[in-house]
Amino acid sequence: DAGVTQSPTHLIKTRGQQVTLRCSPKSGHDTVSWYQQALGQGPQFIFQYYEEEERQRGNFPDRFSGHQFPNYSSELNVNALLLGDSALYLCASSWRDRGDTEAFFGQGTRLTVV
Amino acid sequence: GESVGLHLPTLSVQEGDNSIINCAYSNSASDYFIWYKQESGKGPQFIIDIRSNMDKRQGQRVTVLLNKTVKHLSLQIAATQPGDSAVYFCAESTGGGNKLTFGTGTQLKVEL
Repeated sequence: DAGVTQSPTHLIKTRGQQVTLRCSPKSGHDTVSWYQQALGQGPQFIFQYYEEEERQRGNFPDRFSGHQFPNYSSELNVNALLLGDSALYLCASSWRDRGDTEAFFGQGTRLTVV
Repeated sequence: GESVGLHLPTLSVQEGDNSIINCAYSNSASDYFIWYKQESGKGPQFIIDIRSNMDKRQGQRVTVLLNKTVKHLSLQIAATQPGDSAVYFCAESTGGGNKLTFGTGTQLKVEL
């Protein structure tokens, strides 16, 4: 079992550009959530996808958008990048249909905006 | 808004001693709490969880205590080892699912 996998591991973008991050959930999981973790801080919830729809959203602007595919994998898109978007982006998966609340995290994508 | 916070940003313990990491939460509606361990350059790793209908839960070398009266959560690590050195986060959830609210974390340093 590969667990939650994210790609790429590191990324450098220029202010104003757009970025797409990818996540494959743990085998058997149907729900994917995305978190932003600034240096020295705890992860902050961005949004959650289940059945290919955004189900919950945190306090993030609509520059942050996502998608979930039929195979449960997910993408996080960020438009018009700001320097403040530099952070570790974490994907977490769980099995909503089983009522599990335990979330398994991937290793994250380190995004640097210059 | 509601938040989860930690009392101590850094905790240093001697190898073999017991560690206690504390966490305060403010959302009385939270019904699920998790402790995560995060090593440098890695994602958070699940340690142990507890639901609001319990006040204590034990795992391998770890115990989580929940005091709903004062909205306090603690993680006890027995016989702390160098491999326990990491940042520990408590997180809370309301109504299930995996929307989690994290605190800022406690750095645990194990001294030999």
